[in-house]
Amino acid sequence: EPEVTQTPSHQVTQMGQEVILRCVPISNHLYFYWYRQILGQKVEFLVSFYNNEISEKSEIFDDQFSVERPDGSNFTLKIRSTKLEDSAMYFCASRAYLWDTQYFGPGTRLTVL
Amino acid sequence: SQQGEEDPQALSIQEGENATMNCSYKTSINNLQWYRQNSGRGLVHLILIRSNEREKHSGRLRVTLDTSKKSSSLLITASRAADTASYFCATEYGNKLVFGAGTILRVKS
Repeated sequence: EPEVTQTPSHQVTQMGQEVILRCVPISNHLYFYWYRQILGQKVEFLVSFYNNEISEKSEIFDDQFSVERPDGSNFTLKIRSTKLEDSAMYFCASRAYLWDTQYFGPGTRLTVL
Repeated sequence: SQQGEEDPQALSIQEGENATMNCSYKTSINNLQWYRQNSGRGLVHLILIRSNEREKHSGRLRVTLDTSKKSSSLLITASRAADTASYFCATEYGNKLVFGAGTILRVKS
């Protein structure tokens, strides 16, 4: 069964460093998402992406964040200058159609020291 | 806030018993989805119920949706120790999911 994959599973970085989190969505899916979950808190929406552009973003998704689909398979989230409060589990999700099921990847745990 | 809120926050039952979790939300939705998360791991999709549906089943899972009360429930029948996890409802607004805080279910064997 197709699934969303994410790499790395765990990333440790120093405050101020740039990180890139990678996702491979399910191959025939058209809508892509990033969410995050700070330890012990709710899953929060960050950004949605369709047709090679951002379709919606949350207040969390400020100028330090960017997303890209550099080729036909990968979908990346870049944080330019990490802060301690960026430490969280980051989930990628994808779906084939609007309002269809969103399938989540296993997550990348980002730890900012 | 558009968020769904689950109750109870935590539920502890014996293996074989049924578990019911509830979710309430505040504004009109396109659909509502239920997910499971094992400790610190990924989100596994369980069921999607659309705003024009009232009930859906999948194996031991039954989900109901009452749009007039803005609420949904997830019933797990004949629970197993492997059902121990956090369960989240996620309401769909526009092109995003809004998650509740979840119900922590513990099934004792």
